[in-house]
Formats: sequence, C-alpha cells, structure tokens
Amino acid sequence: AQSVTQPDIHITVSEGASLELRCNYSYGATPYLFWYVQSPGQGLQLLLKYFSGDTLVQGIKGFEAEFKRSQSSFNLRKPSVHWSDAAEYFCAVGAETGGFKTIFGAGTRLFVKA
Amino acid sequence: DAGITQSPRHKVTETGTPVTLRCHQTENHRYMYWYRQDPGHGLRLIHYSYGVKDTDKGEVSDGYSVSRSKTEDFLLTLESATSSQTSVYFCAIVGDANSPLHFGNGTRLTVT
Repeated sequence: AQSVTQPDIHITVSEGASLELRCNYSYGATPYLFWYVQSPGQGLQLLLKYFSGDTLVQGIKGFEAEFKRSQSSFNLRKPSVHWSDAAEYFCAVGAETGGFKTIFGAGTRLFVKA
Repeated sequence: DAGITQSPRHKVTETGTPVTLRCHQTENHRYMYWYRQDPGHGLRLIHYSYGVKDTDKGEVSDGYSVSRSKTEDFLLTLESATSSQTSVYFCAIVGDANSPLHFGNGTRLTVT
C-alpha cells in the first residue's frame, strides 16, 4: 500500500522569495506522483504530475517538482512566490494497480507575507 | 466541474439518520472514488469503484457503504450518521493510470 508524508503542516514565506514544499512517499513500485493545490472553499486543482521520464517536471503557475527515487521524495518548488499562491498544497501518490487508488498527504498550508 | 457533479452541495443531518451522497459523471470513466477531507488529514479515501457493481474499501471505510449500479453514478451512504462523519466529501473520477483525478466540487456534510 502506498503512503505520503508532508512534514510541514504550514509554511510562511515572503512574497518574491523562493518556495520548497516537501513530500516523501512510500510505494513498492514505480509511483505516479502528483501535486494539487486547493484555495479556501475551492476544489482541488492539479499543479503537475510525474509518471516517468524526466525527473524534473514543470507545472502550471510556475511550479516545478523533482522526483528523487533514492530519497523517495517529490518536492515542489517555485522560484518566486506571489501572494496569490497562498493556499493548501497536497502531494499524492497513485498506484497503477489496485483500482488506480490515489493516496494524499495531509497537506501543507502556505502563507505569503507582504 | 464539467463532467462530474455532486449532490447535495450542503447537508445538515441529525445523528443516527441515514444519509446518501450522489456522484454523477458524464465522462464514462471506469474508476470513481469517494474521499473525505478534514483539517490535518488531507483527503482520505473512503471507497472506490472500478466498474459497475465492483467496489472496494479505502483507508477509512468504517460506517460507510457505496453502490454503483450504473457507470455514471456512485452513491455513498452513511447508514447511521455520527458527528465524526462531519466533513467535506469529494468524489473523483479517472479514466486510466496515466491521468490525474478529476474532482467534483464537494459536499459539505454536518451531523448534529
């Protein structure tokens, strides 16, 4: 069974500063990895996904993530944060078998200060 | 979102009453999922379906049952609602392993 850990419950960064959100996963086979974002009162929006190939993936809104198999990590990064990036971010791991189940981490809430 | 609709959007019910939430999709996707979202827990998988009448348990299935009699509809039932089931419930669908989940807008359920 797969699992996801997001070590940081919340993070505060200044507008214009760089951002890195951590994600560690556990899964016995090659994982399908995702980052979703949720603004208050809204549904979840896909930021980016990794299935195979290049371990550095680009997403929407200037986000990128790097898959590191040796560290079982899939950290999300952005070089310069905007106030509109304040939201909750969820890392998720999907399985190719077993009904394509996707398991989510507990989330990291991002606060952006002016 | 287009293609997936949850109903109702909001519901308040009393402890001990049965509640059914509906997820309807127009994408003809084989796989459907019910998640609950609670602060500090992210989204937790309740039940999922991999075809008509084919369902299985997720991480937090106790107190919930599901049914899927048609491809387009996936029902989540709380047989006897408890206050611990107060949550936001999301339905999601996916067509294949190479696609991300597509979420509905959620149902906010309050059990008093």
